[in-house]
Amino acid sequence: AQSVTQPDIHITVSEGASLELRCNYSYGATPYLFWYVQSPGQGLQLLLKYFSGDTLVQGIKGFEAEFKRSQSSFNLRKPSVHWSDAAEYFCAVDPSGFQKLVFGTGTRLLVSP
Amino acid sequence: NAGVTQTPKFRVLKTGQSMTLLCAQDMNHEYMYWYRQDPGMGLRLIHYSVGEGTTAKGEVPDGYNVSRLKKQNFLLGLESAAPSQTSVYFCASSYLPGQGAYNEQFFGPGTRLTVL
Repeated sequence: AQSVTQPDIHITVSEGASLELRCNYSYGATPYLFWYVQSPGQGLQLLLKYFSGDTLVQGIKGFEAEFKRSQSSFNLRKPSVHWSDAAEYFCAVDPSGFQKLVFGTGTRLLVSP
Repeated sequence: NAGVTQTPKFRVLKTGQSMTLLCAQDMNHEYMYWYRQDPGMGLRLIHYSVGEGTTAKGEVPDGYNVSRLKKQNFLLGLESAAPSQTSVYFCASSYLPGQGAYNEQFFGPGTRLTVL
């Protein structure tokens, strides 16, 4: 079945350490790819997106993501995590290009002192 | 510019009661969406609208109805609430797909609904 997978439900990272959140998708063609962040009690905010071109995309708040076609992955990274990055992160895809999103189940990031 | 707003923020219903959730956007967006968010399941699309007077079913439409009488508003209705509809509901909006352009969705703050 076509889907978006975020294999890590929770991740704990020490403040200042690097971060990588995983996302895999199972659609035949390369879909439009997104990462959203949701702070507690808030709506979703777009971090970055990939449509085509350079496979390393930069986003807001110091985040970046790399698209790997061979692995059907779109992993989110940050070189140095801040306590304010603690939130839930969602990977999403638009398989059709008609602006209908399919979300992964999310990864909750905890940042330890 | 308020962006996407949702009313109410919280609501508790009894099984069988009805209610309407209101989403409003002031960005002149054509597309509007209703999602529900459940623990461990991410967000799932309930219904969406590609313009005033139009609606379409998403992934999980059963038990919900929607209306888009005005471009800026998108209403989500529960005619007979069930405990399975306990969830956090998010509204989003976007411009319609442009020529060669893709337009991101902007999300509201959510409505937390509990059905007892």
